[in-house]
Amino acid sequence: KAGVTQTPRYLIKTRGQQVTLSCSPISGHRSVSWYQQTPGQGLQFLFEYFSETQRNKGNFPGRFSGRQFSNSRSEMNVSTLELGDSALYLCASSLEDWNTEAFFGQGTRLTVV
Amino acid sequence: KQEVTQIPAALSVPEGENLVLNCSFTDSAIYNLQWFRQDPGKGLTSLLLIQSSQREQTSGRLNASLDKSSGRSTLYIAASQPGDSATYLCAVTNTGNQFYFGTGTSLTVIP
Repeated sequence: KAGVTQTPRYLIKTRGQQVTLSCSPISGHRSVSWYQQTPGQGLQFLFEYFSETQRNKGNFPGRFSGRQFSNSRSEMNVSTLELGDSALYLCASSLEDWNTEAFFGQGTRLTVV
Repeated sequence: KQEVTQIPAALSVPEGENLVLNCSFTDSAIYNLQWFRQDPGKGLTSLLLIQSSQREQTSGRLNASLDKSSGRSTLYIAASQPGDSATYLCAVTNTGNQFYFGTGTSLTVIP
């Protein structure tokens, strides 16, 4: 079966712009989580959606937002990009809301110049 | 706040050796612990999931154990191969599917 698909794989944006990243979870999975990975901070939790509702949010500024659609696909948006937003953004999907295995996509590499 | 620590940060072993990676966490009230591997520039590949009621899980040459009360997990890799070279991450969940990740162990297996 198809895995978690993230698009695009690579992005280059200019400071001040905004960006939208997309994540299609494994078919039948209802939970989607987003993470930011940087060399200095490691993997940090951004937010989690389950059945179109945001259930948890990490410690990131309001410039980071997300949503989940009825087909469980999710998007995250970053507005007013800063150089420090350059990172690998990873999406994870899970079947249910807890106690189940998480599967990650290949990530979107965002570079802000 | 949950904190996850992995030791060692880097490990280099000759091919064929058995090895152990360590993971510790500060809050024992976890739902799951999951081990992942990450190749450079890639996403995370799930290796093993241990639910809070379980003590260990095995998959092929991999065996992961969990001691929730002491806040520790180990990943045992038997008969290491060059293809095992990657960064290994452990992660725990306390609520929902919010993972707290360790900083990883970078493993190099020398042919």
